[in-house]
Amino acid sequence: DTGVSQNPRHKITKRGQNVTFRCDPISEHNRLYWYRQTLGQGPEFLTYFQNEAQLEKSRLLSDRFSAERPKGSFSTLEIQRTEQGDSAMYLCASSLAGGEGYGYTFGSGTRLTVV
Amino acid sequence: GDSVTQMEGPVTLSEEAFLTINCTYTATGYPSLFWYVQYPGEGLQLLLKATKADDKGSNKGFEATYRKETTSFHLEKGSVQVSDSAVYFCALSKGAGSYQLTFGKGTKLSVIP
Repeated sequence: DTGVSQNPRHKITKRGQNVTFRCDPISEHNRLYWYRQTLGQGPEFLTYFQNEAQLEKSRLLSDRFSAERPKGSFSTLEIQRTEQGDSAMYLCASSLAGGEGYGYTFGSGTRLTVV
Repeated sequence: GDSVTQMEGPVTLSEEAFLTINCTYTATGYPSLFWYVQYPGEGLQLLLKATKADDKGSNKGFEATYRKETTSFHLEKGSVQVSDSAVYFCALSKGAGSYQLTFGKGTKLSVIP
């Protein structure tokens, strides 16, 4: 297993465009998480899935954001009508349910720049 | 709500110096505590953890002890190397069954030869 994989690594988009990011978790991990990290800050929780069910969404996740995990494997995070304030690193992580006390495994992130 | 406070950086040390990065937390119950490290251009990697009071987490020469009485989890290393240059994040979770990590803002460490 190669760990948590995120694509693309970098995305530059014009304000108002839609973007989609992909995350492939560790195959045996049934929980998947999305975090957002802005410059000089720690990661902030956005949402998480157990298998294909989205069980929690942060209030940071406005209605322009949508996340899916259709078959309980990879996940996508879509941002519609991007704004400059959406510029950040978007991190994906995975774990086994009940294993969070032992830490997640993070991907390398997708850096989004909205111009 | 839960929160984590780390000492502000950046921290610049000479190689072989002693490192302390302070971390305190606010949380109800008995959280698990973590230190993550982020090397330039990479994702976060779990450095060490402690799941109950008085536990000591250790890895790669780094140590941190879960102090419930002072709500602290300070990171220490006796002799830093240039390769330790990175951003260090303290984090907590509410433990078994909890899914969400709460992070501090991070402390950037630069080690110079």
